[in-house]
Amino acid sequence: QKEVEQNSGPLSVPEGAIASLNCTYSDRGSQSFFWYRQYSGKSPELIMSIYSNGDKEDGRFTAQLNKASQYVSLLIRDSQPSDSATYLCAVNLNYNFNKFYFGSGTKLNVKP
Amino acid sequence: DVKVTQSSRYLVKRTGEKVFLECVQDMDHENMFWYRQDPGLGLRLIYFSYDVKMKEKGDIPEGYSVSREKKERFSLILESASTNQTSMYLCASVREETQYFGPGTRLLVL
Repeated sequence: QKEVEQNSGPLSVPEGAIASLNCTYSDRGSQSFFWYRQYSGKSPELIMSIYSNGDKEDGRFTAQLNKASQYVSLLIRDSQPSDSATYLCAVNLNYNFNKFYFGSGTKLNVKP
Repeated sequence: DVKVTQSSRYLVKRTGEKVFLECVQDMDHENMFWYRQDPGLGLRLIYFSYDVKMKEKGDIPEGYSVSREKKERFSLILESASTNQTSMYLCASVREETQYFGPGTRLLVL
């Protein structure tokens, strides 16, 4: 079983819709959770981090964490074609050692 | 601005060659990482370092070694390149759990 699982997609949504990306993780001791965006041919960049249960909003992005169910999600409101990318979920199992596990990513296509 | 650079964007090597990939960060970060990224497998941790001359194995260290002689530089070494090491290699530097990635090196081993 992988530490972090994501649906590889592609997930296709029309422009202006809400895109919902999901991620599950296996280790209940996981402390910190991250969403990275990776455009084709580029390296990943951090867009959201979340540490406690509930929702965290930043502009059009909302991260949701449910530790009891061991999932974390990313909602993108008013999706734009420029949001088309692969979204990577990452989990830090141990804050002291900063050892991160990444999912394989979900490819999002936002159609104009 | 945070800056992480990698020595090459594209590299072609022959089987059995010794390969050096270098990563430099200008942010005085202690923690640095080497990953490889393959389709369907995501980013997999090869090695990481939390200080000068300190290193820890990640999940797939076989066939690789690392060197960190200076804080800003973290090198990945493929002792004897093999075709299954053809991949995208990403270096990252970490501050407060945020990873800053370099542009990546796409390595092809023939």
